[in-house]
Amino acid sequence: EAGVTQFPSHSVIEKGQTVTLRCDPISGHDNLYWYRRVMGKEIKFLLHFVKESKQDESGMPNNRFLAERTGGTYSTLKVQPAELEDSGVYFCASSLYRGTVVRGEQFFGPGTRLTVL
Amino acid sequence: QQQVKQSPQSLIVQKGGISIINCAYENTAFDYFPWYQQFPGKGPALLIAIRPDVSEKKEGRFTISFNKSAKQFSLHIMDSQPGDSATYFCAAHRDDKIIFGKGTRLHILP
Repeated sequence: EAGVTQFPSHSVIEKGQTVTLRCDPISGHDNLYWYRRVMGKEIKFLLHFVKESKQDESGMPNNRFLAERTGGTYSTLKVQPAELEDSGVYFCASSLYRGTVVRGEQFFGPGTRLTVL
Repeated sequence: QQQVKQSPQSLIVQKGGISIINCAYENTAFDYFPWYQQFPGKGPALLIAIRPDVSEKKEGRFTISFNKSAKQFSLHIMDSQPGDSATYFCAAHRDDKIIFGKGTRLHILP
């Protein structure tokens, strides 16, 4: 069974440009999460989808970030316009269930490394 | 404000030795304390997790020790192997969110 996939693996853009990251969760997983790791810092939660609905978007840094999950399958995270501080690795994760960290285990993708110049 | 503090930032251990990574937390509302292992080019993967009402959890060579009164927990890797070389994240879980520590880069010398 395929794991969580993310595209692209790397993206280098200039400040002010727009970038869209894509995440394909494990088939059948209703729960989809986005996290971000800025250089030297911890991995931070951005938001959580349950199917196509945003369950929790408390970690979204500002309105330059827009996440969508049309149809409850894959998700996109758009950054517009990108700023230097947006550089980092963006991880997507999916889970079949919610609840405890074991029952609702989140499976992470390999991440997209975003560099804003 | 960092909710989960992890140390050391990096660690070098001889093959066969014990690797120890420590973490501390502030919020008492967390319901699970997991550890994640990440290899280069991969995402973090759940390694082992413990509930706050348990003082120790062991799975193979990996053991979590949990001290609720001190709000501290640690990962012990016994008989460390070169294949254990990776980045390890302690974390806390609440409301479907994982709150990560900054990570420890572990290198096991062959």
